[in-house]
Amino acid sequence: GAVVSQHPSWVICKSGTSVKIECRSLDFQATTMFWYRQFPKQSLMLMATSNEGSKATYEQGVEKDKFLINHASLTLSTLTVTSAHPEDSSFYICSATRGANVLTFGAGSRLTVL
Amino acid sequence: GESVGLHLPTLSVQEGDNSIINCAYSNSASDYFIWYKQESGKGPQFIIDIRSNMDKRQGQRVTVLLNKTVKHLSLQIAATQPGDSAVYFCAENRAQAGTALIFGKGTTLSVSS
Repeated sequence: GAVVSQHPSWVICKSGTSVKIECRSLDFQATTMFWYRQFPKQSLMLMATSNEGSKATYEQGVEKDKFLINHASLTLSTLTVTSAHPEDSSFYICSATRGANVLTFGAGSRLTVL
Repeated sequence: GESVGLHLPTLSVQEGDNSIINCAYSNSASDYFIWYKQESGKGPQFIIDIRSNMDKRQGQRVTVLLNKTVKHLSLQIAATQPGDSAVYFCAENRAQAGTALIFGKGTTLSVSS
């Protein structure tokens, strides 16, 4: 149990376009979802915490208007990278929790902006 | 003398050796710690966790040690296998249950046959 699915796993887009990444908890209801960003050979950096039905809490330095997060249901959170630029190219990973510190991570979504 | 909390970005071992990966965490209020394994192009995979009221926890071939005095965490892998080759991250829970995990710097483990 406790499977988190991300889609798409890999996306290539042109500079200036927007890209949406979905994070779904497949077999449990996730009260909270977290979005991380990982550059090559670096650690995971927390971007934002997303609670169902409320606005996401962004970490310092993360532009909320750039990275739109919507957590409309207990099984789905979306991250939209708006007006993407090459420097937004990264590996985006979501995780979901049922509570009590148990986090399950998705397989990640690799974004390449040309 | 011993360098407690020394983080090495890479570690190379021979198959069958024991591996020790170190991590220094930042927040003395953190009460939950996890080790993750990440293979190339994939998300983190849970290995083992430990709460701050413990100083040692054992799993299958893995042991996590927690030294709260110096805010140091280590992962020991017994009889390391080529399939253990990956990047290993420690993560700490910042405060109470439900908050995000903050990841430390990773260590790339390479196991040669």
